[in-house]
Amino acid sequence: IAGITQAPTSQILAAGRRMTLRCTQDMRHNAMYWYRQDLGLGLRLIHYSNTAGTTGKGEVPDGYSVSRANTDDFPLTLASAVPSQTSVYFCASSDLGAGSGANVLTFGAGSRLTVL
Amino acid sequence: GQNIDQPTEMTATEGAIVQINCTYQTSGFNGLFWYQQHAGEAPTFLSYNVLDGLEEKGRFSSFLSRSKGYSYLLLKELQMKDSASYLCAVKDSNYQLIWGAGTKLIIKP
Repeated sequence: IAGITQAPTSQILAAGRRMTLRCTQDMRHNAMYWYRQDLGLGLRLIHYSNTAGTTGKGEVPDGYSVSRANTDDFPLTLASAVPSQTSVYFCASSDLGAGSGANVLTFGAGSRLTVL
Repeated sequence: GQNIDQPTEMTATEGAIVQINCTYQTSGFNGLFWYQQHAGEAPTFLSYNVLDGLEEKGRFSSFLSRSKGYSYLLLKELQMKDSASYLCAVKDSNYQLIWGAGTKLIIKP
């Protein structure tokens, strides 16, 4: 089934630990994104990549890093997790780049992360 | 600052019509999106408006007034499966997507 696969689905993590959330898409979309979703707030962009080999910072990039070695994979790494990073993380992709007004996002199922 | 406002929660009856409003204040405008998100699932695309007026797609319609910074999503012939959160998002002058917190729609039989 074409789409975006995220892993893990859910994770409980001790503060200070390193964690990588995986994201893979099979739609050959150029652009990929990482969002976090917190209760009562809109989705917030963490990092994005308009094409393989390039990345950019979103609204809330601190404490997170990404890489885009190829078209399909866009992992998100928390170098040293803190409780405020407890959230649901969504990976998304779009055929058109972020600079296009009409780019529709396809989202993965999400990764629920709890940092204690 | 940039802001998207939507009601937090709405309740409607199966078979009825409901209108979910979204007002926005952003630096520029390059389109408005509506997404549907069922509890515990990913958001999925519903509609895109960039020009003023009404876009109809089956039971769902979306309206935009750029001069008023206003949009609404109209859902007709409500079904129980329409129970979900509806997210409004606006692309600003830098093509950054600004998201509202979402409106949780509860459908009662």
